[in-house]
Amino acid sequence: SQTIHQWPATLVQPVGSPLSLECTVEGTSNPNLYWYRQAAGRGLQLLFYSVGIGQISSEVPQNLSASRPQDRQFILSSKKLLLSDSGFYLCAWSQDSLSTDTQYFGPGTRLTVL
Amino acid sequence: GESVGLHLPTLSVQEGDNSIINCAYSNSASDYFIWYKQESGKGPQFIIDIRSNMDKRQGQRVTVLLNKTVKHLSLQIAATQPGDSAVYFCAESRPGTYKYIFGTGTRLKVLA
Repeated sequence: SQTIHQWPATLVQPVGSPLSLECTVEGTSNPNLYWYRQAAGRGLQLLFYSVGIGQISSEVPQNLSASRPQDRQFILSSKKLLLSDSGFYLCAWSQDSLSTDTQYFGPGTRLTVL
Repeated sequence: GESVGLHLPTLSVQEGDNSIINCAYSNSASDYFIWYKQESGKGPQFIIDIRSNMDKRQGQRVTVLLNKTVKHLSLQIAATQPGDSAVYFCAESRPGTYKYIFGTGTRLKVLA
């Protein structure tokens, strides 16, 4: 069966520091991968998605970036964090290349920027 | 845990009763719909999905109903249990796009 992992689970970082969040998927190959942010009291905001190694699409202009160095690894990064980057970051995967496939979420990373 | 849905609508039900959570979707071209359950501090968990060529689908203790005429989706939970307490939200998807459109969610509270 497929599993999705995210780490770290929680992170407290000072403003201006770098960020690296990692997501890995097991039990499948060539998944579509997604990064979402969930702010308190709000819905899920799609940040990036990837349909293959090195292929990244950005949904929202911001100081975050994403990379996919391996088929089942998706990384979310920032060079300098802002206070507004605080939130719950979720990685998700789907099996197929079509949107009408179920997206399965990881456990999330709670990021607090102070 | 994650303070998801601080100002979400809340549905309170007695343990053992049935719960109905509603969602209005936005696009008549959407052809795939999903319900997720999210417990505090955790990632959303897939519950059930339905495609636009169906109007009803049943799972274990859950039923999803789709009314395309009024663009309405509902999740019915039978014999609600304390473990069902969570935020529930729907998502819709259109052909030819990777994006889901997510609802803001409903908090379900199960009263003992």
